[in-house]
Amino acid sequence: DTAVSQTPKYLVTQMGNDKSIKCEQNLGHDTMYWYKQDSKKFLKIMFSYNNKELIINETVPNRFSPKSPDKAHLNLHINSLELGDSAVYFCASSQGLSVAVLTFGAGSRLTVL
Amino acid sequence: DQQVKQNSPSLSVQEGRISILNCDYTNSMFDYFLWYKKYPAEGPTFLISISSIKDKNEDGRFTVFLNKSAKHLSLHIVPSQPGDSAVYFCAASGYNTNAGKSTFGDGTTLTVKP
Repeated sequence: DTAVSQTPKYLVTQMGNDKSIKCEQNLGHDTMYWYKQDSKKFLKIMFSYNNKELIINETVPNRFSPKSPDKAHLNLHINSLELGDSAVYFCASSQGLSVAVLTFGAGSRLTVL
Repeated sequence: DQQVKQNSPSLSVQEGRISILNCDYTNSMFDYFLWYKKYPAEGPTFLISISSIKDKNEDGRFTVFLNKSAKHLSLHIVPSQPGDSAVYFCAASGYNTNAGKSTFGDGTTLTVKP
């Protein structure tokens, strides 16, 4: 039973389209995150939610809109996709805001053509 | 501004020998450090961590050393096994506030040869 699951695993789409990536965790964690791994392999935080409340928004363009319907889910919607959005997006969770250890999903590879 | 650096993109060692992976950081506000291991097509998995109040933490074959004055940490794997072949990410965090907001290095690919 996967602890942090993301769908879809692969996503290929055209510039200008809108797409969503879904994330669910069954660990009972309070805090969820979206990280982006770009072509240089760095993992950079995008958003953090704690009990459905937005905690961190790391200067991400407004085209990216996270939504947390409950503390077990954190979805990422991206409008008007651009070439530079091509990356692997990782969802993660932690037990709480003061806990640094993250449990990651397997990643969603987004390719924008 | 790259606050966490892993200067060796790759490392190759023989099975049974020691693997030493290095990481440097620049932000003195970091007080908690983690190592993650990542296999292809999977997410990073937590391996070991260390608080800034310690200089060493050991878990089985894995030991992390922290040198605060040098802003340097290292991960030692002894003995190395072929299954250890993966990408290793160093990460740094401020412990008590938004602790999950980790700053990651760009990884070191470890290959352990049988």
